[in-house]
Formats: sequence, structure tokens, C-alpha cells
Amino acid sequence: EAQVTQNPRYLITVTGKKLTVTCSQNMNHEYMSWYRQDPGLGLRQIYYSMNVEVTDKGDVPEGYKVSRKEKRNFPLILESPSPNQTSLYFCASSLFPGGDYGYTFGSGTRLTVV
Amino acid sequence: AQSVTQLDSQVPVFEEAPVELRCNYSSSVSVYLFWYVQYPNQGLQLLLKYLSGSTLVESINGFEAEFNKSQTSFHLRKPSVHISDTAEYFCAVSDRNSGYSTLTFGKGTMLLVSP
Repeated sequence: EAQVTQNPRYLITVTGKKLTVTCSQNMNHEYMSWYRQDPGLGLRQIYYSMNVEVTDKGDVPEGYKVSRKEKRNFPLILESPSPNQTSLYFCASSLFPGGDYGYTFGSGTRLTVV
Repeated sequence: AQSVTQLDSQVPVFEEAPVELRCNYSSSVSVYLFWYVQYPNQGLQLLLKYLSGSTLVESINGFEAEFNKSQTSFHLRKPSVHISDTAEYFCAVSDRNSGYSTLTFGKGTMLLVSP
């Protein structure tokens, strides 16, 4: 089944403790992206990647890092999480960005930073 | 730069009533337009999209949206909603002239269908 897999689905952590949210797609998509979803703010893009070793900042990149060493994986790293990073995170992929292909989304990761 | 405005954050309706979810966009270039749906505790799913051709596009579950270039709108409609349509709906836009334009989302409209 073609899908984007995120792990974990739920995560509670403490301020300052480094964490990684994994994202993997099995569709050989070139483009991958991370979004955070907050009530009243919709989806805001954190980082995106056009292809392996090519990443760029989205609208809200502060406090996050990403890497794209393999085409299928695009982990999101929070080196020192803070409470304002409590949010619902989605990974998405597409054959190409925007255009006419649309995105495939993962099921989301609900992160709580205390 | 592109932007999307969804005029209603929440739309309550009764089952079997018609509904319209409004979406306006702003862009200096030609665009592709999308509606995504997010059911509770799930990720977003593509509902329908406008690429070119007929300005009226339909989804498999009875929704339709009409691209209106002069009003820069892409409103989503359904003539008769079901309880199962309760979800959050996101309008999105991308630049059709760029092969590497990312998707910009609106803030979402929660559709609440009650019996």
C-alpha cells in the first residue's frame, strides 16, 4: 500500500530533551515536507526537501532540523524542544512539489512538550 | 507570494442540508487549486483539485468545487451532507507555472453535521 508512515503517533517529552520524529514514504516521491497544525492557524510548513540532500526552510523553521540522506526518509529533529513546539505534526510527500500531483500525508504525530 | 483565505472557521449544518465552504486565494500567477479533507485523528486526504479545463470539478463522494478566476474563489459545495462528512476541510493553492512551487494551505473550515 502506498503510504507515508510517521512515528511515533503520540509523544510527550520534557523541555530540552532532543527528539526525532521519523517519516518514511514508499512511493519513490522526490518531494517531502513537514507541517505543523495548530488550532486557528491551519497547516504551516516547517521544512521541505526537493530531493536527496536538498532541503530548505518553510514558513516556521525555527527550532527544527531535518535531513534527507535517503529518498524515502525525512526525519524531523527537535534538538531542544520547548512548550511552544507542542503541536500536531504531519509529514507529506509528492512525486513533485505543488504542481498537479497533490500530496500524500502521514497520519500525524501529536507532540506535547512539558 | 500566494495566500488562501477560508472565510469560515466553522460551519454547522443539519444532515441532508446543502453546504458551501468558501475559499478565496491571492496569487500573482496562475494557480492549481485543491481541497483536502481531514477526518478526526487522521491525516489530510485529497478531496478534489482544479488543474485546467472545466471550472467545475467533482469528487467521488458528492462534493464539487467551482473555480472562479474573476473572483479568485474556489468554493466547495455539497447539495446534501451526511453525518460522515463531519471533518475539517482545507483549501490549498500552488503556482502552476513553477515545477517546484510548494502548497499553501488555508486555515481550515470545520464542517459539523448534526442529525
